[in-house]
Amino acid sequence: EAGVVQSPRYKIIEKKQPVAFWCNPISGHNTLYWYLQNLGQGPELLIRYENEEAVDDSQLPKDRFSAERLKGVDSTLKIQPAELGDSAVYLCASSAEPAAQYFGPGTRLTVT
Amino acid sequence: GQQLNQSPQSMFIQEGEDVSMNCTSSSIFNTWLWYKQDPGEGPVLLIALYKAGELTSNGRLTAQFGITRKDSFLNISASIPSDVGIYFCAGQPNFGNEKLTFGTGTRLTIIP
Repeated sequence: EAGVVQSPRYKIIEKKQPVAFWCNPISGHNTLYWYLQNLGQGPELLIRYENEEAVDDSQLPKDRFSAERLKGVDSTLKIQPAELGDSAVYLCASSAEPAAQYFGPGTRLTVT
Repeated sequence: GQQLNQSPQSMFIQEGEDVSMNCTSSSIFNTWLWYKQDPGEGPVLLIALYKAGELTSNGRLTAQFGITRKDSFLNISASIPSDVGIYFCAGQPNFGNEKLTFGTGTRLTIIP
């Protein structure tokens, strides 16, 4: 079974530019998560989707971050405009049962 | 955001040694998970615990859900070079597909 797929794996952009990340969850997983992981720390949730509905976006900085999961499968996370402090790894995870979340390889973003 | 207290922060051991690490919280969790993360990759689920007092094994790994529901332990027996990486605990306060709170991580290094 294929795991969670994320692209791109790496992205380098200049500050104030927009950037988008894509995630394809494990087939059949209705719940999708976007996490932010700073260097030396554990992941922190940005947003959680149940099918196409964002059920927890309390940690998403809505002034510059947005996400969508239009058909309840793939999802995109966007930052516009990016700031230097946004440099981090952005992880996507999915689950089909309570708690057992499976992570993708992440997108490492560097903002210069 | 909130993170669980994980210890030790780092470990330096010789191949073949056993490893123990733990995770504590000030609040109760109903689910505990243990993940391993290699450089440049996303966290990989090792063991999921759903019941207080539960002891679960996955090969050389054994994890326990503390009886107080405020802690969890992970043991690795007879360590091998591929065990190197960062181990994260994660807890979920309620059953269901809700966000995970991650520990601060334990970095395991094997000394040749």
